[in-house]
Amino acid sequence: GENVEQHPSTLSVQEGDSAVIKCTYSDSASNYFPWYKQELGKRPQLIIDIRSNVGEKKDQRIAVTLNKTAKHFSLHITETQPEDSAVYFCAASNERNFGNEKLTFGTGTRLTIIP
Amino acid sequence: IAGITQAPTSQILAAGRRMTLRCTQDMRHNAMYWYRQDLGLGLRLIHYSNTAGTTGKGEVPDGYSVSRANTDDFPLTLASAVPSQTSVYFCASSDSRQGGYGYTFGSGTRLTVV
Repeated sequence: GENVEQHPSTLSVQEGDSAVIKCTYSDSASNYFPWYKQELGKRPQLIIDIRSNVGEKKDQRIAVTLNKTAKHFSLHITETQPEDSAVYFCAASNERNFGNEKLTFGTGTRLTIIP
Repeated sequence: IAGITQAPTSQILAAGRRMTLRCTQDMRHNAMYWYRQDLGLGLRLIHYSNTAGTTGKGEVPDGYSVSRANTDDFPLTLASAVPSQTSVYFCASSDSRQGGYGYTFGSGTRLTVV
């Protein structure tokens, strides 16, 4: 089955600086890579996703990059703000295989923005 | 309001007792999932269902069972709770037939087994 590794487990950055979280996956058939943000005591919420037919996707201050050859993908947050403090999870699945599109999650990164 | 609802929000349960966590969605999503979240371990899949009438085992299924009698409901049962099942449980759903937009998660159930 799929295995997703996520680094770092904790990350502290000064407000206004950029944050980068990296994930690797094992199954070359995986083709869908979402990122979730979980604030304290809340449910995980999808913030951005990327499919294997593109290498990069941006949404305002958030971007995700994908390297299929190396089987890794990264989340980039620019101009960080205090409200970006949360736990971030990466995930991977194979959407083309109906019945096998379950998400496998990384272990999470606790991001703290220092004012 | 469309979404996914879990109940109870939290529960303290004596070891050996039976417990069912409820999950209901009104988005007509075909797929539903149960994950447990533990510190340092992320979200681990317990059981899933791709469509009503079918279920499958995830990464950590032991001690848990599920059923999917209809599209909307996906209850998770602990037949005889043990302390290692203390966790936060999240139910999620997705419309996987459309190539998905990720999961929609419920608000979670915090379960403590003592």
